[in-house]
Amino acid sequence: DSGVTQTPKHLITATGQRVTLRCSPRSGDLSVYWYQQSLDQGLQFLIQYYNGEERAKGNILERFSAQQFPDLHSELNLSSLELGDSALYFCASSVGLTGLTEAFFGQGTRLTVV
Amino acid sequence: AQSVTQLDSHVSVSEGTPVLLRCNYSSSYSPSLFWYVQHPNKGLQLLLKYTSAATLVKGINGFEAEFKKSETSFHLTKPSAHMSDAAEYFCVVSGPRGSYIPTFGRGTSLIVHP
Repeated sequence: DSGVTQTPKHLITATGQRVTLRCSPRSGDLSVYWYQQSLDQGLQFLIQYYNGEERAKGNILERFSAQQFPDLHSELNLSSLELGDSALYFCASSVGLTGLTEAFFGQGTRLTVV
Repeated sequence: AQSVTQLDSHVSVSEGTPVLLRCNYSSSYSPSLFWYVQHPNKGLQLLLKYTSAATLVKGINGFEAEFKKSETSFHLTKPSAHMSDAAEYFCVVSGPRGSYIPTFGRGTSLIVHP
């Protein structure tokens, strides 16, 4: 158990809908990362938050947004969903802002858009 | 900027034989390097990490990796493969400052034959 909790584990929704994925980082970790894993794109970095503030953006679509709350949990919002958004979405957390410490990953949320 | 290339998308070995998973990296800074493993339908688990200490790094489950700056490589090895080692392996590069977002390789699928 990595200590990172993601909910829900599975999500099936229709095109055009909006969903929210939730992540609770390990206790004490201030940094949260979101990744999208698909067969054709591999693991793509989406966005990072550190102590409530957005710190880095990767290949995140404008239809997607995220935030980190004062209790450090994070939510990833996906809207106007398309079939191509079907993927495994991972959240990871780490203690600090630098790359010296490893990231711990949750089990992922498998999103299926039908 | 940083990037990582996993040279093989699939590696097939027999149980009891050595494992070699190859990774080359590119980084503008002194990199931190990691290997993660992902078993089917599971999250990612850290195998080992290099953060500018000893160049030969030992990890869990008998895996080790050697950082070679002159070759910009961080290959993962194990003397004797076990059936339970069958999984997807990811090489990850991050940096102590600047580009500290963990950047993943495309992954290498390790297949272990009885």
